[in-house]
Amino acid sequence: GAVVSQHPSRVICKSGTSVKIECRSLDFQATTMFWYRQFPKQSLMLMATSNEGSKATYEQGVEKDKFLINHASLTLSTLTVTSAHPEDSSFYICSAITTKGGYTFGSGTRLTVV
Amino acid sequence: QKEVEQNSGPLSVPEGAIASLNCTYSDRGSQSFFWYRQYSGKSPELIMSIYSNGDKEDGRFTAQLNKASQYVSLLIRDSQPSDSATYLCAVNKAVGNKLVFGAGTILRVKS
Repeated sequence: GAVVSQHPSRVICKSGTSVKIECRSLDFQATTMFWYRQFPKQSLMLMATSNEGSKATYEQGVEKDKFLINHASLTLSTLTVTSAHPEDSSFYICSAITTKGGYTFGSGTRLTVV
Repeated sequence: QKEVEQNSGPLSVPEGAIASLNCTYSDRGSQSFFWYRQYSGKSPELIMSIYSNGDKEDGRFTAQLNKASQYVSLLIRDSQPSDSATYLCAVNKAVGNKLVFGAGTILRVKS
């Protein structure tokens, strides 16, 4: 139980375009989801917290206009990287708090901006 | 001071030995502590969670928590080459329920 499906798993996009990443909770309702970014050989850095039906809360230093987060339903949160540039290339991972209070992670999205 | 600190390693142990991984955290209000294993290019997978002071054992893994010292550790007994991975310590922040990760410790188990 408590599965989060994340896709796409890999995406390559051209510089200046936008990319949308989706995370769906399959068997539970995710009131809160978290979005992380991980650069090579570094740890997961929390980007933002999204709560269903309200605006996301961004961590210090994360551009909210560049990383658009939408959590319109209890089972879907999306992260859109707008006007992507090569420095946005990273591994993006979503996480949700389960009904039992634990954390479950999506499988991650490898974004490459060329 | 980082919120969650780990020695980056690599920590090298021979097959069959005990691997000891350590982590300290800064938020005294934290109540939940986790150890994740991450293989290259993959999402983290939960190894252990611990919420109370003391030891918690699950198979070859033992998590230890000392809230007074703000210290969490993970022991892996009978280490196997398949245990080679990056081990991430994660701490739940008192405010906002956010999970904050340490930089991770690379473990290499040599056969």
